[in-house]
Amino acid sequence: DTGVSQDPRHKITKRGQNVTFRCDPISEHNRLYWYRQTLGQGPEFLTYFQNEAQLEKSRLLSDRFSAERPKGSFSTLEIQRTEQGDSAMYLCASSSGQGAREQYFGPGTRLTVT
Amino acid sequence: DAKTTQPPSMDCAEGRAANLPCNHSTISGNEYVYWYRQIHSQGPQYIIHGLKNNETNEMASLIITEDRKSSTLILPHATLRDTAVYYCIVRVDSNYQLIWGAGTKLIIKP
Repeated sequence: DTGVSQDPRHKITKRGQNVTFRCDPISEHNRLYWYRQTLGQGPEFLTYFQNEAQLEKSRLLSDRFSAERPKGSFSTLEIQRTEQGDSAMYLCASSSGQGAREQYFGPGTRLTVT
Repeated sequence: DAKTTQPPSMDCAEGRAANLPCNHSTISGNEYVYWYRQIHSQGPQYIIHGLKNNETNEMASLIITEDRKSSTLILPHATLRDTAVYYCIVRVDSNYQLIWGAGTKLIIKP
């Protein structure tokens, strides 16, 4: 078990560019979550997948944000036309659907928009 | 989900027990209490959760008051590696998202 992995770990981009992040959950976990965290704050929920279905989206997920999990395994989070306010840590978590309640987090992707 | 209140920061001496309080006075009967921690520049780490009864695992103990309006996370023998931000969260099982506050920054001192 290698845990939840995220790629890249750091991304610096210019305002207006598009960026895409990848998350690989723990292999047997069918639930996957994306969160965003700014300095000094707790994580904020963005979206949730059960297998390939996106079941819940936060109002924080503007139309510039899109997430996919095409085969129910890895997931991607894309931000189009990035803004400086998008600078944050983007966290991915996964959990089992077998009554387990804990979510396991990856190391995060730190995005800096200049 | 109910809101939680935690002190912004706490210190504890290495080797002593660290007791982290959390108030959740509006908790409802079907909400669980969860604790996570986040070491600097890492993703959050699950510690423990409970509903009514006290719980213990290899990392910590969770003490929930009888009225469930508050709880305490206990790290029995704190080490320098326990320095982190500790988050207390209450959640209904059917809600998949976790709603986080600002947490308690715990500093373990040698």
